[in-house]
Amino acid sequence: GAGVSQSPSNKVTEKGKDVELRCDPISGHTALYWYRQRLGQGLEFLIYFQGNSAPDKSGLPSDRFSAERTGESVSTLTIQRTQQEDSAVYLCASSLGVRGSYNSPLHFGNGTRLTVT
Amino acid sequence: AQSVTQLDSHVSVSEGTPVLLRCNYSSSYSPSLFWYVQHPNKGLQLLLKYTSAATLVKGINGFEAEFKKSETSFHLTKPSAHMSDAAEYFCVVSILSWNYGGSQGNLIFGKGTKLSVKP
Repeated sequence: GAGVSQSPSNKVTEKGKDVELRCDPISGHTALYWYRQRLGQGLEFLIYFQGNSAPDKSGLPSDRFSAERTGESVSTLTIQRTQQEDSAVYLCASSLGVRGSYNSPLHFGNGTRLTVT
Repeated sequence: AQSVTQLDSHVSVSEGTPVLLRCNYSSSYSPSLFWYVQHPNKGLQLLLKYTSAATLVKGINGFEAEFKKSETSFHLTKPSAHMSDAAEYFCVVSILSWNYGGSQGNLIFGKGTKLSVKP
């Protein structure tokens, strides 16, 4: 079966432009996470979706960042008016979530490498 | 408060020698614990997980980890390193949502340990 798919794999954009990153989770996975990974750094939590519950947006670094998810399918992460410090790899992961118990492992996509020039 | 500490940011070993990557956690509740591996330019892949069954957990690629409640540790080991093991390794704690408030999707990531393997 297909894993978590992220697109584009690479994105170069000019400072001030908006970008949209896409994540296709594994079918049936109710939980979806977005993380940011700066060069040589660990994972920084951004946002978490669980089914139809209100998302946990506590990790979004500023109001330029937003994310949407339609039901239990595709999610998009949008960054408005990009800045150079937004340059990073953005990783998406999905899991069975509460449907599979709290210890369901995450399945990660390969990430989108964003470069803001 | 819940936390995860990976004690070494970088570990270097020679091929064929043992690997030890250390992880300590702090949790008021019974956690699930995971180790993930990230190869360059890739997403993270699950190595193994502990979910309160056996305290010694075997994972993929010859890795294993032992849950020690008294030491609040979950160190990752491998008897003999291979060049292909060179990667970054993340220790992760998962907490029951209704005990942790559901923040961050119940997951806490360590900062990662970069493993280098010398020929």
